Amino acid sequence: EVQLVESGGDLVQPGGSLRLSCAASGFTFSNYAMNWVRQAPGKGLEWVSTISGSGYTTYYADSVKGRFTISRDNSESTLYLQISSLRAEDTAVYYCAKTSPLGSCSGGACYTAPIDYWGQGILITVSS
Amino acid sequence: DIQMTQSPSSLSASVGDRVTITCRASQGISNYLAWYQQKPGKVPKLLIYGASTLQSGVPSRFSGSGSGTDFTLTISSLQPEDVATYYCQKYNNAFWTFGQGTKVEIK
Repeated sequence: EVQLVESGGDLVQPGGSLRLSCAASGFTFSNYAMNWVRQAPGKGLEWVSTISGSGYTTYYADSVKGRFTISRDNSESTLYLQISSLRAEDTAVYYCAKTSPLGSCSGGACYTAPIDYWGQGILITVSS
Repeated sequence: DIQMTQSPSSLSASVGDRVTITCRASQGISNYLAWYQQKPGKVPKLLIYGASTLQSGVPSRFSGSGSGTDFTLTISSLQPEDVATYYCQKYNNAFWTFGQGTKVEIK
């Protein structure tokens, strides 16, 4: 059974930093690109970042580029999101999400596929 | 950047009604379009991918269609358990975009 368990959420002051973790199990972690998606309170879903299976290639939404860093440890089956220079508008539930094998490609560099598994989400609140 | 625009933003329909939600891409995305259902307090669930392929385990009353820029999600006979917010997502490249969501309620 696939499981994605996020941790590291907290109440943080504006300008602060935080690292989110996502422990994955139930699948061969290194074979899949992984993602972070966030959802502000009462708002819609926003894609944040994607990392290839190898960890060598990363992608970011314009809203977080230069402030967020996605990484992974395939030996530990863990995904990370380092967040810095936090703003009030970063307040959201952050979901770890696995890229599915349902696209037109396969392997860790496949991004043209939807999400098949989501973590339960972890809340980051940015407030003074 | 490709924008995804859903309509309507919310709707209210009776049990048994046919419900249609539209998603429009600002540029063509072929069939790289997914639909997710998010029930209150829950994580999103994949309903349809490839614009029209039903994910395993999803009831057959859900269907998707479209290609290029215009897509639809149809619920053929609305059920009480379908109360949720529905999102489209484009995944034609590594830069994903979600629609703003359509909230479906029972009248």
